[in-house]
Amino acid sequence: DTGVSQDPRHKITKRGQNVTFRCDPISEHNRLYWYRQTLGQGPEFLTYFQNEAQLEKSRLLSDRFSAERPKGSFSTLEIQRTEQGDSAMYLCASSQRGPAQYFGPGTRLLVL
Amino acid sequence: SQELEQSPQSLIVQEGKNLTINCTSSKTLYGLYWYKQKYGEGLIFLMMLQKGGEEKSHEKITAKLDEKKQQSSLHITASQPSHAGIYLCGADGAGGTSYGKLTFGQGTILTVHP
Repeated sequence: DTGVSQDPRHKITKRGQNVTFRCDPISEHNRLYWYRQTLGQGPEFLTYFQNEAQLEKSRLLSDRFSAERPKGSFSTLEIQRTEQGDSAMYLCASSQRGPAQYFGPGTRLLVL
Repeated sequence: SQELEQSPQSLIVQEGKNLTINCTSSKTLYGLYWYKQKYGEGLIFLMMLQKGGEEKSHEKITAKLDEKKQQSSLHITASQPSHAGIYLCGADGAGGTSYGKLTFGQGTILTVHP
């Protein structure tokens, strides 16, 4: 157990619905990352927070995706009007100033 | 952008055998990270390499970064069924300006038969 938790672990939704995922990082970590992983591929970077500031967003993050980290603690990733192509594992990771990252167990999303 | 290529894509070995997984970068590596992932779960951090020629070991797993810092290898000695999983290499290629954002290889699926 790395200390990074994610909720829910699994989500099944219908196309067009909105979904929200939560990540709770290790408490002293000020950096928080979201990645997306599809079957047979490595994780792809989505976005990065340092404390409450969102400092970088990937081009993968379309307008339907939004992420927040209020008060620099937990983070939420929302997907609006889900599409079948959004089906993937969504991973959250956190770190302090050091480069090593600790990943949560992921949220597996299936869009029907 | 930086790309990482892992080889082989999959590997099946008999318990007790040694094996090596390679990770090759299109650019100089400033930080190379190895992770293990069980199917459907998150990534478990194994080791980080930063210096050319660096070698680190943990239990029966040894990771190396070549002198040119463009290739890394992960070697498992006397493999066990508990070593089975997906091994991923990740690179922090921007020399500290990427905020620790990692670019990953596609992964190597390891199966260990008892």
